[in-house]
Amino acid sequence: GAGVSQTPSNKVTEKGKYVELRCDPISGHTALYWYRQSLGQGPEFLIYFQGTGAADDSGLPNDRFFAVRPEGSVSTLKIQRTERGDSAVYLCASGRGQGETQYFGPGTRLLVL
Amino acid sequence: RKEVEQDPGPFNVPEGATVAFNCTYSNSASQSFFWYRQDCRKEPKLLMSVYSSGNEDGRFTAQLNRASQYISLLIRDSKLSDSATYLCVVRRNNNDMRFGAGTRLTVKP
Repeated sequence: GAGVSQTPSNKVTEKGKYVELRCDPISGHTALYWYRQSLGQGPEFLIYFQGTGAADDSGLPNDRFFAVRPEGSVSTLKIQRTERGDSAVYLCASGRGQGETQYFGPGTRLLVL
Repeated sequence: RKEVEQDPGPFNVPEGATVAFNCTYSNSASQSFFWYRQDCRKEPKLLMSVYSSGNEDGRFTAQLNRASQYISLLIRDSKLSDSATYLCVVRRNNNDMRFGAGTRLTVKP
């Protein structure tokens, strides 16, 4: 079956611009996670959704970052006033529920110039 | 200090070798433990969960020592296809996973 998909696969933007990154989880998975991975590092937790609600957003680095999942399926990570330090791979993962195995998407490579 | 620490490597080993990776974690409240594999420019994929009693999956053996807060992964009879970065992961509660920076393995002919 289809895995987690993310779009775009690559995004180049200029400092100060707004970007949206999309995640389409595995069908039926209620848990959805966003991570950020910088070069040479492991994924860093950003936010977790259970259904439509953000159950844990403690990993969001600041208020420029926001994520939504309005219908409990597709999620969008939104970054305002991008900075060069936001450049990273943004990974999305989904799972059958809280505590279940997380399956990762291929990621979106964001480059802020 | 990072919550999950790994030797970054790289480990360069010949085919057929046995190689071991170590990982330590700082939060004693950690509940679940995993090894993920990540190929270059690809997403992480679950390799195996790690249980207190130790567990084996083919050529891969994982061990957990809760008292020492230490996790290990042993790969026997290394294959070229084992070349990847191995990520140590701990989960404190049911949703918060913390990843190590990864250990890079290259298996050479």
